[in-house]
Amino acid sequence: NAGVTQTPKFQVLKTGQSMTLQCAQDMNHEYMSWYRQDPGMGLRLIHYSVGAGITDQGEVPNGYNVSRSTTEDFPLRLLSAAPSQTSVYFCASSQGGIQYFGAGTRLSVL
Amino acid sequence: KQEVTQIPAALSVPEGENLVLNCSFTDSAIYNLQWFRQDPGKGLTSLLLIQSSQREQTSGRLNASLDKSSGRSTLYIAASQPGDSATYLCAPGGDNFNKFYFGSGTKLNVKP
Repeated sequence: NAGVTQTPKFQVLKTGQSMTLQCAQDMNHEYMSWYRQDPGMGLRLIHYSVGAGITDQGEVPNGYNVSRSTTEDFPLRLLSAAPSQTSVYFCASSQGGIQYFGAGTRLSVL
Repeated sequence: KQEVTQIPAALSVPEGENLVLNCSFTDSAIYNLQWFRQDPGKGLTSLLLIQSSQREQTSGRLNASLDKSSGRSTLYIAASQPGDSATYLCAPGGDNFNKFYFGSGTKLNVKP
């Protein structure tokens, strides 16, 4: 029973590089979200999706893109990484108000 | 924009104590509220979900209450154990799209 799977677990980038954080869920949930967690600031919503083909911005969307071509997958793209994007990224899926989180991706941008 | 505050930020207690963790939020128009547990270096685990029409929810030694009109929720942990050591996060949900806003958490340390 996989739940929400995030890859990679760790990543180091240089400023200006691009990359995609992967998120997949096997619970057939319509709603999926991406958060970032910084020390002392809790989790902040980056982007979310209410179903395949539908995405919207959260609190801190700048510098990130998302797409939702299938119910299962919700990748997060960093177009040109900046040191300010050093953080832990969490993907979540939800149904009926209960959120299920992946284990996170720890990203460092040098 | 929903602002969520959790008090205290950190708490260290001896094993066996009963605890109260506090959460306050600025926008009372919430759909539900969820309490999570986060262990170091791990993701979040849902503990309790309270719908806006409910006053409280219980699971084992945990009891969460919700006073939507005053923008407050509390998490009560009975007979604390060292295994309860973790960060506890409160997240009121804003609408039917399952959007949640998080507090910065209470870091709990239960000493044997």
